[in-house]
Amino acid sequence: DAGVIQSPRHEVTEMGQEVTLRCKPISGHDYLFWYRQTMMRGLELLIYFNNNVPIDDSGMPEDRFSAKMPNASFSTLKIQPSEPRDSAVYFCASSLGGQGEKLLFGSGTQLSVL
Amino acid sequence: RKEVEQDPGPFNVPEGATVAFNCTYSNSASQSFFWYRQDCRKEPKLLMSVYSSGNEDGRFTAQLNRASQYISLLIRDSKLSDSATYLCVVNADSWGKFQFGAGTQVVVTP
Repeated sequence: DAGVIQSPRHEVTEMGQEVTLRCKPISGHDYLFWYRQTMMRGLELLIYFNNNVPIDDSGMPEDRFSAKMPNASFSTLKIQPSEPRDSAVYFCASSLGGQGEKLLFGSGTQLSVL
Repeated sequence: RKEVEQDPGPFNVPEGATVAFNCTYSNSASQSFFWYRQDCRKEPKLLMSVYSSGNEDGRFTAQLNRASQYISLLIRDSKLSDSATYLCVVNADSWGKFQFGAGTQVVVTP
């Protein structure tokens, strides 16, 4: 299996621009997670989906952030408009779900907003 | 108070030595526990799950103490390649609400 695939690996953009991060989960995994990691706040859960349906988006910082999962093999995280404080590494993870099941992470997207 | 707390370290460990560290969690209803390893600028990778009875995987031993609400990780015969940040992960009240600790940095020195 190819694992969780994220793109792009690096994104540099200017404040105010729209940013779209992409994720392909492991085939057969019903759960997909978006995390953000910074030095100050560590790993934060932004949102997660089960069978393409958002279950908990309480970690989404504000209305500038939105996430979609149109099908079982693709998800996007969009920031519009982006701000310098959004600079972080964004990880996508997927899981089979259920007690004891683990998360498997993608390689992440390093986002820099200038 | 954070839901999952770890000593950030760093723990400086001579090669071949043993190192152990803990992670405390606040939600007594937590059901699943894991240790992940994260190398600099890389994604977290599962090191091992933590079971109620404790479990061992080679040089790594994990323990769970529900009464005191902490999990521990012990690394025996440390290798240089064990240098990394170790993240404690707790599945809180409902499945999917994984809470990550800030990580414990381990530096193994020759």
